[in-house]
Amino acid sequence: QKEVEQDPGPLSVPEGAIVSLNCTYSNSAFQYFMWYRQYSRKGPELLMYTYSSGNKEDGRFTAQVDKSSKYISLFIRDSQPSDSATYLCAMRRNTGNQFYFGTGTSLTVIP
Amino acid sequence: GAGVSQSPSNKVTEKGKDVELRCDPISGHTALYWYRQSLGQGLEFLIYFQGNSAPDKSGLPSDRFSAERTGGSVSTLTIQRTQQEDSAVYLCASSYRPAGGGYNEQFFGPGTRLTVL
Repeated sequence: QKEVEQDPGPLSVPEGAIVSLNCTYSNSAFQYFMWYRQYSRKGPELLMYTYSSGNKEDGRFTAQVDKSSKYISLFIRDSQPSDSATYLCAMRRNTGNQFYFGTGTSLTVIP
Repeated sequence: GAGVSQSPSNKVTEKGKDVELRCDPISGHTALYWYRQSLGQGLEFLIYFQGNSAPDKSGLPSDRFSAERTGGSVSTLTIQRTQQEDSAVYLCASSYRPAGGGYNEQFFGPGTRLTVL
């Protein structure tokens, strides 16, 4: 079983829709939870990170972490065509060097 | 430049040849990571450098893979006797790792797309 599981999609939504992206994980030691956005032929860029459980909001983006269920989500409100990209979740323990990434979900927002 | 740079951007090689991939991290960043991204596989950790400490090589898939970081800055990932399954995008990231641990944001380069024929 992979440490981090993420549905690869692809996901296609109309402009203005609310998008929900999710990851599950198996290692209860993970404390840092990240969401990255990756455009085609570019490196990933950090969108948001959360420490431990709870919600975090930044503009149209909201990240949620439920450690009891080992489940994290990213919500995108009022989705725009420019949000079309691959979204990767990532996690890290409090100590140690490694970041563990999901496979990424490909999102297309149709104008 | 202000960001992480990688070269070459694309590399096509024949099976059995050696390749070298280069990463220039952000100036002042103490930590450097190499990842491999294959279709449908996500980012696979390969190796991690932190300052002058011994690198964490636990992600290297075989002894054909090696990496070095000279002077705490530029890093080179070398793949010897390339195989077709080595075809992937190789990404480098750097970060400033605070003393005592804690969160460190990774900044990624654009990657090197390696194709082994």
